[in-house]
Amino acid sequence: AQSVAQPEDQVNVAEGNPLTVKCTYSVSGNPYLFWYVQYPNRGLQFLLKYITGDNLVKGSYGFEAEFNKSQTSFHLKKPSALVSDSALYFCAVRLMNRDDKIIFGKGTRLHILP
Amino acid sequence: EAQVTQNPRYLITVTGKKLTVTCSQNMNHEYMSWYRQDPGLGLRQIYYSMNVEVTDKGDVPEGYKVSRKEKRNFPLILESPSPNQTSLYFCASSPAVGVNYGYTFGSGTRLTVV
Repeated sequence: AQSVAQPEDQVNVAEGNPLTVKCTYSVSGNPYLFWYVQYPNRGLQFLLKYITGDNLVKGSYGFEAEFNKSQTSFHLKKPSALVSDSALYFCAVRLMNRDDKIIFGKGTRLHILP
Repeated sequence: EAQVTQNPRYLITVTGKKLTVTCSQNMNHEYMSWYRQDPGLGLRQIYYSMNVEVTDKGDVPEGYKVSRKEKRNFPLILESPSPNQTSLYFCASSPAVGVNYGYTFGSGTRLTVV
């Protein structure tokens, strides 16, 4: 079955430290991968995507993600965390088949400690 | 401004009383979808539509109906709501099927069924 896994329900990071939010996927064919962020009482906002090309993709708010095909991972990273980065983060994969839908992970809550 | 608009933002209703959550997008997107978000379960797809008059079931369609009579609107209908449909609902849209776009999300509708 095609799926996306976020192994950590919550990640705590001190402000100024680097952060990583993990994501692994299981899909047939080439994956189209996304990260979304959800701030309290808001909808999901697009952060970045990997379609093809350079394995390191850069997105909004200083975030980047590294695609690793051998490990089937797409971890979200930021060199220096801000308190305002505290939010719920979702990894997602778009299935390029008849359904053409996006499957989401269960989300990881990121807490940046001042 | 390009956006997906959902109404209402908050709704409290009683079991069995039919309700409709509206969703409208102004980006001429062909693909629209409804998700529900529940703690620990992430986002699960309810229904989706690849174009006008074309709808299909997602992962959790039971108890819901949708229609796509025109491109911009994709209402979610609960004919006889039950307490297990208490959730946070998101509408999303995307350009044509089969391309490497993510979704644009609405701000969400928090539904409580008592």
